[in-house]
Amino acid sequence: DGGITQSPKYLFRKEGQNVTLSCEQNLNHDAMYWYRQDPGQGLRLIYYSQIVNDFQKGDIAEGYSVSREKKESFPLTVTSAQKNPTAFYLCASRDRGGTGELFFGEGSRLTVL
Amino acid sequence: EDQVTQSPEALRLQEGESSSLNCSYTVSGLRGLFWYRQDPGKGPEFLFTLYSAGEEKEKERLKATLTKKESFLHITAPKPEDSATYLCAVRKAAGNKLTFGGGTRVLVKP
Repeated sequence: DGGITQSPKYLFRKEGQNVTLSCEQNLNHDAMYWYRQDPGQGLRLIYYSQIVNDFQKGDIAEGYSVSREKKESFPLTVTSAQKNPTAFYLCASRDRGGTGELFFGEGSRLTVL
Repeated sequence: EDQVTQSPEALRLQEGESSSLNCSYTVSGLRGLFWYRQDPGKGPEFLFTLYSAGEEKEKERLKATLTKKESFLHITAPKPEDSATYLCAVRKAAGNKLTFGGGTRVLVKP
């Protein structure tokens, strides 16, 4: 089955540690996205990538980093510079030649202890 | 700056009690308005895309409509399984990202 796989589903980290969230898709989509969701709120864009080896900052990129070395993969690193990292992180992909909708993974919940 | 505002923030319905959710938007050239359903602890699930004013789309008990300033998601005779958060998002012309509203949490009681 085609889809987007995020891992881990739950992650705990201590303050001052970097953590990397994995996102893999087998939909053959060119574009990939990372969003953050806080309790009771909508989604805010962190980073996005339209093609391999290229990515752009979203609305809340500070304290985060990404890479896009393969079409299928778009990992997100939450660095120690992110002041409030506890949140639900969602990865999505889009077919650039399609109708525009995003397809989402099941999310990763990060808790900083 | 693109803005998307959803109302109400929360909605409690009795089973069978129809209602509507609102999504107001400000965007420079709309390329698409998207509705998603999100269950707790899950990723959003795509429902509809609307492209131009006057367009309507239906899926089971849900019907989405679009005007030049807002979109409505009508829930007809809802069932408890329709309980979820409904998210609205817009994509502007020449844009590659979606801007989301804050969502409406819907609870349908039997």
